[in-house]
Amino acid sequence: NAGVTQTPKFRVLKTGQSMTLLCAQDMNHEYMYWYRQDPGMGLRLIHYSVGEGTTAKGEVPDGYNVSRLKKQNFLLGLESAAPSQTSVYFCASTGEITEAFFGQGTRLTVV
Amino acid sequence: GEDVEQSLFLSVREGDSSVINCTYTDSSSTYLYWYKQEPGAGLQLLTYIFSNMDMKQDQRLTVLLNKKDKHLSLRIADTQTGDSAIYFCAELNDYKLSFGAGTTVTVRA
Repeated sequence: NAGVTQTPKFRVLKTGQSMTLLCAQDMNHEYMYWYRQDPGMGLRLIHYSVGEGTTAKGEVPDGYNVSRLKKQNFLLGLESAAPSQTSVYFCASTGEITEAFFGQGTRLTVV
Repeated sequence: GEDVEQSLFLSVREGDSSVINCTYTDSSSTYLYWYKQEPGAGLQLLTYIFSNMDMKQDQRLTVLLNKKDKHLSLRIADTQTGDSAIYFCAELNDYKLSFGAGTTVTVRA
């Protein structure tokens, strides 16, 4: 039972490059979330999804896009990476609302 | 997150009680949560409370909710070295799950 899996775990990008982070969950959860974690700022919500084919903006959506084409996957895209997007990214999913399950995080560095 | 506020640091002696406080702004939040993050790991749920409850106890953990003041607290009894971690308060409103900045708890011998 894998739970929530994020790929990749680490990545270094050059400014202006693009990349996609993948979040996959095998719990048939409806709700999925992408956060970034920065020192002293906690987890800030980037985008979230309440079901297949739907997405919504969180607190800090600028510079990111998302897609939820399949219920089990939630993709986070950076079209043109900037140093300000250096962060640890976490994906989470929940079905019952009483508990969200988190992936292990993706450490992204933009140079 | 901007809607949930916590103090950033707490130092406590082993065996004492820890109290971590949180304030939130959205009175329509349905659930409030406490999550724990250990170094290099994702977050794990510690406990949650429904918005129509005042208190919830689960072994060493006690959650108090003051809905009028929009104040949530987590008390850890008999704090142990394994309790050293970052603790996040979170609120759920209309399926949007928002977190505070996290309180780093350091347990000293």
